[in-house]
Amino acid sequence: QQQVKQSPQSLIVQKGGISIINCAYENTAFDYFPWYQQFPGKGPALLIAIRPDVSEKKEGRFTISFNKSAKQFSLHIMDSQPGDSATYFCAATRYYGNNRLAFGKGNQVVVIP
Amino acid sequence: DTEVTQTPKHLVMGMTNKKSLKCEQHMGHRAMYWYKQKAKKPPELMFVYSYEKLSINESVPSRFSPECPNSSLLNLHLHALQPEDSALYLCASSQQTSVLDTQYFGPGTRLTVL
Repeated sequence: QQQVKQSPQSLIVQKGGISIINCAYENTAFDYFPWYQQFPGKGPALLIAIRPDVSEKKEGRFTISFNKSAKQFSLHIMDSQPGDSATYFCAATRYYGNNRLAFGKGNQVVVIP
Repeated sequence: DTEVTQTPKHLVMGMTNKKSLKCEQHMGHRAMYWYKQKAKKPPELMFVYSYEKLSINESVPSRFSPECPNSSLLNLHLHALQPEDSALYLCASSQQTSVLDTQYFGPGTRLTVL
């Protein structure tokens, strides 16, 4: 059972454009939502994370938007660059849990020059 | 230094072989993890060690045997694997097992079982 659903599966964006990846979750016990970025041949790396007490968090060109009532959150990559081409995984976990992450299926983003 | 190293980078083994994967970190982290990742899929948690003790085993078959000899090292012993076990095996570590403790992933070992 997929606890976190991620869409779209893949995305092609022009350089300078905005990449948007959406995730939805069912388990209302989840209260911490990290995003991971994975380049080919590398392990995932934490990109940005949010707790549901805020509706938005921004770090550089990366922004998470969170909608608690809809149980949805999304990653926006502003001014997308070819170096952002990677697979992005959303995840969810319990803030006071044991760091067990429920990952989405992943989204391959390709930024074309 | 936020590096988690894994050896070997690639491993090909037959179904009757015994092999081991090795993971090392020198960040003073007390939590270490093994994940399995199939192509175009998210990582799946296999085992968690906290302070060198196994704290989570996600119902992994006994042909995978983890070992944490000290706080810097994590091994995964492999025996009698099946072709469907072919995958990228990722090691990660974090300060402890709190959600605020970022998990740092290694580059993985690409395992092929013939």
